[in-house]
Order: sequence, then structure tokens, then C-alpha cells
Amino acid sequence: EVQLVQSGAEVKKPGESLKISCKGSGYNFLNYWIAWVRQMPGKGLEWMGIIYPGDSDTRYSPSFQGQVTISADKSISTAYLQWDSLKASDTAMYYCARLTTMPIPTSLFYYYALDVWGQGTTVTVSS
Amino acid sequence: EIVLTQSPGTLSLSPGERATLSCRASQSVSSSSLAWYQQKPGQAPRLLIYGASSRATGIPDRFSGSGSGTDFTLTISRLEPEDFAVYYCQQYGSSRGTFGQGTKVEIK
Repeated sequence: EVQLVQSGAEVKKPGESLKISCKGSGYNFLNYWIAWVRQMPGKGLEWMGIIYPGDSDTRYSPSFQGQVTISADKSISTAYLQWDSLKASDTAMYYCARLTTMPIPTSLFYYYALDVWGQGTTVTVSS
Repeated sequence: EIVLTQSPGTLSLSPGERATLSCRASQSVSSSSLAWYQQKPGQAPRLLIYGASSRATGIPDRFSGSGSGTDFTLTISRLEPEDFAVYYCQQYGSSRGTFGQGTKVEIK
């Protein structure tokens, strides 16, 4: 079974650091981009950035550039999302998801979609 | 950055009715990278439609997607009780993605 399993809920104080994880199994983890998605309480989904575990190529959404660090350890099929100094506004649910690329028949192009999602990690930042 | 605007914000319908959800992009989007997701309370999102009109594995045929360029539509032909949820469109291009703000389909 293809799945992404995320680390458990975290409660932190402002200014603390944090690293949450997303472990893939059931497929070749190195060959698929992993996206991180934020969902603040009662709000919609926000694309944070993606990483290609095969070579750690990482792309950030402008809103999150410099605010978080996305990394991966391909030896253990795990992607990470990291903060150096948390703020109360980082309180949210964070999802990882696999970005699948499917070739379009008789075409040079590809479909792109987030086809497998982790269960989410709740991060609460409060003094 | 491409902005996706979904409408309406909330759709109040009864089971058995047809739901039509709209997603409009601030600039042209490749159909191959336009997807729709369903999210129920307390759950992770689930892929429904990819490539603007292709159903993901296991998705019932009452769900259909259409559109191109800047205007895309998700249609649920006959609402089942389990379809009441929030729906998001999403696009991916130039190694970045964006989501619409979501449409909540609620029981009337």
C-alpha cells in the first residue's frame, strides 16, 4: 500500500524550533516530489513548497520562502518540514502529499496531482 | 503567482440535487495540471479529479470535471450524503502550486 505517515502532534512555545516528518512507503520515494501544505484553523489549503527526494531539489512558494526549511533523507524515505523560531501564527495542520506525474497518452506532457496524502501533523504554538 | 478563485463560497443543496462548483484562474492554466480535491472534517484532502477532467482511482462517476484556460468546473450530478464536504481546486506550474479558497457543499 502506498502511504505517507506523518509524525505526531506538537505543542511548542514561540521562539522554539521544530522539525516534523513524513515517511513514505509502498513506492519508490526517490522518484516523486513531496509537497507540504498548510491549513490554518478553519481555513483553506496553502501550498508551501516541494522537494524531490532523489536530489533534494527544493522549491518554495514565495509566501513561505525563508520562513521554513524543507529537506529529505532519502536513505529512510522521509521528508521534513522545519522551523528555526516558531510564531503563534504557525499554529496549523500541516500535510505532506505526493505529487504524482502521469504521462498523457500520445503527448509529451504530463498530468500533475497530489494523489497520496499524509494524515496531517497538528502544530500548536502558544506561550 | 496564479490565483484561483472558487465560487460560490458555500453551496446549500439537498441530497439528489446537482452541484456545480466553479474555479477561475487569474491567468491561463494548463488543463493537465488542474486538480480537484474533497476534504471532510478531520480528514486529509482526497484527490477527485486530475487533468481537469479525469477521475482519480475509485472516484464515483457522479463526479466530473471540465473546463480549460481560466475557467474550470466540478460537477456532482446527484449529491449523496457522503458528498457534503469542502472542495478545492489546485493548479501546478513552474514548480509551484496554488489552491483555491474552497467551496463548502452543505446540506440544505
